[in-house]
Amino acid sequence: QLQLQESGPGLVKPSETLSLSCTVSGGSISSSSYYWGWIRQPPGKGLEWIGNIYYTGSTYYNPSLKSRVTISVDSSKNQFSLKLSSVTAADTAMYYCARTDYSYYYMDVWGKGTTVTVSS
Amino acid sequence: DIQMTQSPSSVSASVGDRVTITCRASQGISRWLAWYQHKPGKAPKLLIYAASSLQSGVPSRFSGSASGTDFTLTISSLQPEDFATYYCQLANRFPFGGGTKVEIK
Repeated sequence: QLQLQESGPGLVKPSETLSLSCTVSGGSISSSSYYWGWIRQPPGKGLEWIGNIYYTGSTYYNPSLKSRVTISVDSSKNQFSLKLSSVTAADTAMYYCARTDYSYYYMDVWGKGTTVTVSS
Repeated sequence: DIQMTQSPSSVSASVGDRVTITCRASQGISRWLAWYQHKPGKAPKLLIYAASSLQSGVPSRFSGSASGTDFTLTISSLQPEDFATYYCQLANRFPFGGGTKVEIK
């Protein structure tokens, strides 16, 4: 059974870079059938798609975050990662990683999420 | 940019009620719309994909439909475990709808 697990610091200082990893177990991140992506939910707000990566390294980002986001994949570790630069308090959120079907674009497997707080 | 307008933002309903949630796209789109259920403290759960296909393991009281730029999620008979927030999303490179909170009446 495929599982995703987010990891990374729970507290990041303003203006610094938020870095999270998502470890995939029970399946290969190099499958041609899926994208791998990040979604977040700020406190009291709705879901926001951050971006996706394909195993080839092709990336797709939310235009509103594109200038600050980098998603990368490490097939040797079966992991993909998120970096969000120049964070502010507005980036405080629950961050989820998820698997996305390549053909129908739905997210069918999600990590449990990890809370990131931006504060000095 | 394509925008998804989800309505209502909240609905109060009783167990056994039929609940309908709508997402309207700002322009003609494909059928690659998905619906998710999100409960506090849990990861979102896929309910419907490709507008009307039921995800494996999801109860049949959930259904999805599409008509032009309007997409609908219907819960035919609301159960206690269905109280949650529901989101639509067109494909997965686009914004989610604003969410609909289904609350107990």
